[in-house]
Amino acid sequence: AQSVTQPDIHITVSEGASLELRCNYSYGATPYLFWYVQSPGQGLQLLLKYFSGDTLVQGIKGFEAEFKRSQSSFNLRKPSVHWSDAAEYFCAVGALGNTGKLIFGQGTTLQVKP
Amino acid sequence: EPEVTQTPSHQVTQMGQEVILRCVPISNHLYFYWYRQILGQKVEFLVSFYNNEISEKSEIFDDQFSVERPDGSNFTLKIRSTKLEDSAMYFCASSRGPQETQYFGPGTRLLVL
Repeated sequence: AQSVTQPDIHITVSEGASLELRCNYSYGATPYLFWYVQSPGQGLQLLLKYFSGDTLVQGIKGFEAEFKRSQSSFNLRKPSVHWSDAAEYFCAVGALGNTGKLIFGQGTTLQVKP
Repeated sequence: EPEVTQTPSHQVTQMGQEVILRCVPISNHLYFYWYRQILGQKVEFLVSFYNNEISEKSEIFDDQFSVERPDGSNFTLKIRSTKLEDSAMYFCASSRGPQETQYFGPGTRLLVL
C-alpha cells in the first residue's frame, strides 16, 4: 500500500541553523511528491513539488528538497532557518490512479529557538 | 492571487444534526477535493470530484457524506447525521488536473457535541 512516513514528529532548531526534515514514501511507480506547510490555524501552503526531471527542487521561502529514488526519500532542507518557519510540515505523495488523491505523512512540527 | 475559500471557518453542531461545509475553488480548476484532519493527526483524503461526479472516495466517506457542485462556483460537503468522531478540520482543495498542484482552503473547524 502507498504510504508516507515522516519519522520526526517534532524538531527544534536554533534560528540561523540548517534544517532537514525527513520524508520516506512507499509507492509502486514514479511518484509525484509535495511538501506543504501549515501555520497554526491556517490552511496548507505548498512549499515545493517534484513531478519529474531534476531531483533537486527549489521551493518558496528558501526551501529545497531532493528526491532520492534509491532511498525512497524526499527530504526537505533549508540552509538557515528563520523564526517565522516555525510551523507544521507535511510531506505528501500523489496516489496511483488519476483522481488526484494525496496521501499525507504524519507531519513534523518545527520549533525555532531564538 | 486566486485562492480557495471556505465557509464557515468554525461550526459547532449537535450529534445527529446535518452540516454543510462550503468551498469556492479556484475558478479555472476542474478537480475538487475534501480532506480532513482530526486534531493532532495527519491530513486524510476524503473524496475527489471531477466532471460532476466522484472520482475516488476513501473508506471514511460513507453514506453519511455527500458532495455537490450546485452551481459553477461552489463545492459542498454534507454530513447527514454528524457523529462525535466527525469533529475535525475539513479542508477543501482544487487543482487544474489530477497531477497538478492542489491549492488548499483555510479549513472549516467542525465540532460535534
